[in-house]
Amino acid sequence: GIQVEQSPPDLILQEGANSTLRCNFSDSVNNLQWFHQNPWGQLINLFYIPSGTKQNGRLSATTVATERYSLLYISSSQTTDSGVYFCAVDHSGGGADGLTFGKGTHLIIQP
Amino acid sequence: EAGVAQSPRYKIIEKRQSVAFWCNPISGHATLYWYQQILGQGPKLLIQFQNNGVVDDSQLPKDRFSAERLKGVDSTLKIQPAKLEDSAVYLCASSSRQSGNIQYFGAGTRLSVL
Repeated sequence: GIQVEQSPPDLILQEGANSTLRCNFSDSVNNLQWFHQNPWGQLINLFYIPSGTKQNGRLSATTVATERYSLLYISSSQTTDSGVYFCAVDHSGGGADGLTFGKGTHLIIQP
Repeated sequence: EAGVAQSPRYKIIEKRQSVAFWCNPISGHATLYWYQQILGQGPKLLIQFQNNGVVDDSQLPKDRFSAERLKGVDSTLKIQPAKLEDSAVYLCASSSRQSGNIQYFGAGTRLSVL
């Protein structure tokens, strides 16, 4: 099956700093989503981005499908950005489109 | 628009007991997924339904896990008998073609098997 690797596994930053999270995948994808899992375990959709660039406030994401990677940028970090960030992909191309998740990046923003 | 609803939020059982989780997807979403998330890992797909039919259950441990979506709306995931290694969060998600096949997740059920 498709492999999804996220880096770095852990990241500790001061409030106000910027960060870049990376997701590499081993095959072509039909769906790529970035999620933030908050301390209560809820997976919150950040971006649906199988290709191209999107921005939402302080967050933006870029997927370069031909080179099989995606980047999530967080600018001016706030303590509420803390949590685990997951990249998840689907490459089936058919009806079976369950997501394969990476192991996540654990982000801690210190005040 | 209401999100994906799951219950219960927490469940504690002893090994060899049975347990069931319930999920109600976003209204109008034909596709429903169950994922298992073990502590420290990313979620792993267990089963996918399209309406009331199974699309993919290749990673479902069928000797002890079962799932159904009889009327094509809400779904139940059952474990019988439970093992210690089944301790995890069970997440339900739903999607629709109209919403671009984006998967939306519920808050999950945290299962502890003692």
